[in-house]
Formats: sequence, C-alpha cells, structure tokens
Amino acid sequence: DAGITQSPRHKVTETGTPVTLRCHQTENHRYMYWYRQDPGHGLRLIHYSYGVKDTDKGEVSDGYSVSRSKTEDFLLTLESATSSQTSVYFCAISDKGGTYEQYFGPGTRLTVT
Amino acid sequence: GQSLEQPSEVTAVEGAIVQINCTYQTSGFYGLSWYQQHDGGAPTFLSYNALDGLEETGRFSSFLSRSDSYGYLLLQELQMKDSASYFCAVRDRQGGKLIFGQGTELSVKP
Repeated sequence: DAGITQSPRHKVTETGTPVTLRCHQTENHRYMYWYRQDPGHGLRLIHYSYGVKDTDKGEVSDGYSVSRSKTEDFLLTLESATSSQTSVYFCAISDKGGTYEQYFGPGTRLTVT
Repeated sequence: GQSLEQPSEVTAVEGAIVQINCTYQTSGFYGLSWYQQHDGGAPTFLSYNALDGLEETGRFSSFLSRSDSYGYLLLQELQMKDSASYFCAVRDRQGGKLIFGQGTELSVKP
C-alpha cells in the first residue's frame, strides 16, 4: 500500500471556525489531490498540487485553500467552516505521467455543526 | 465541460457476471480509469484503458470504445467481497487530474 496518512481522521467543529486537514505521503510522489465525497456526488476534486508550491483549483474549490511547502505534505484549509462542508475528505497521490492511477488515503470525516 | 454517467445501483448473485457501464462526454479524452471503494473506505485503482479494446486483470476486465464514448467494467465469478462502489474516471485534458463519475453500488447476493 502507498504510504499516505491523513490527520485528523475525524473532526467535529463549529460553523465559522478555521479547520486544517493534513495529508502526508512517504512515496515522494509528485502529484497530490484533495477530494470530497458526499452521497450522490462521487468524488469531487477540491484542489491539487503538481509540485512543491504548485497548486491549482478543482471543480469545488470555493471556501477551501491549500498549501504544499514540502513534497510529502499537502494541507487543506477551510478558512471559515460551513455546514455545507460537512463531508468525507480524501487525499490522493500519483506519480505516473498520466495521473490515471491514484492512491488514496484513509479519509477524514469532518462534521461542521 | 466533462461528465460521466454510470448506473447508481446494480445487483447480482454470487458466481455470476456483471457489467457496469460508463458513458462520458469530454472536451478531450486521455483514458478511462476504474476504482473500487468498500463501505466508504479508501478508493483503490482497478484498471485503465487508453486505447479501444479489452484489458483483463484476473476476474476483472475493462473495455473501452472511444468512438462511442463508452466503457465498462466486467466482473466475473462474483464473490461477496465484490460488493462495493465502483467509479469510472476520465483524465482531464490538461492531464493533471481525474474527473469521477458518481459511482455504481454493486450488491452481490448469495
């Protein structure tokens, strides 16, 4: 299994508070991704990174920011959490040129009350 | 934009064969991937088709027809452990990301 960890694994927070989720990899893969998964919506890309300090938006990036200062870490921040951001968040990594094969972390279940 | 369609649910019996279809609309096509996810756990990669035809990996096969913008995942000799959600995904034209379908929940019955 690819070495990907996510922290925290579960979090409950209140509306309006900032939240940071961490993804850590030990594979030295170039690409890293943040997805959210909600019933009926599959996996939707929030942001992704194609190298240190190189990031780009996905299809549902509003309300989220990311940072990647080291190859192994990719942080997702909710500046001011809202109830609509209650979801399961998955991090993924890829190193193949086509990025068609991604390895996913175990997920973080976030509840915003 | 890009969109993918796959059935929301499929039910089959143990030992049978099941096919999960995926149709897509993309502005540029670079390949179709399939992923499996058990009970909200981490999705895992199953297969990838860049060219037309059938790719076989054990009990699982994946097919692609680029002219029809269509692909399918074929699961043979179904086992109870195959009960899971299956997602098709296409590579974005920029090559850096995948767009996922909404997933097909497969239930395997005894």
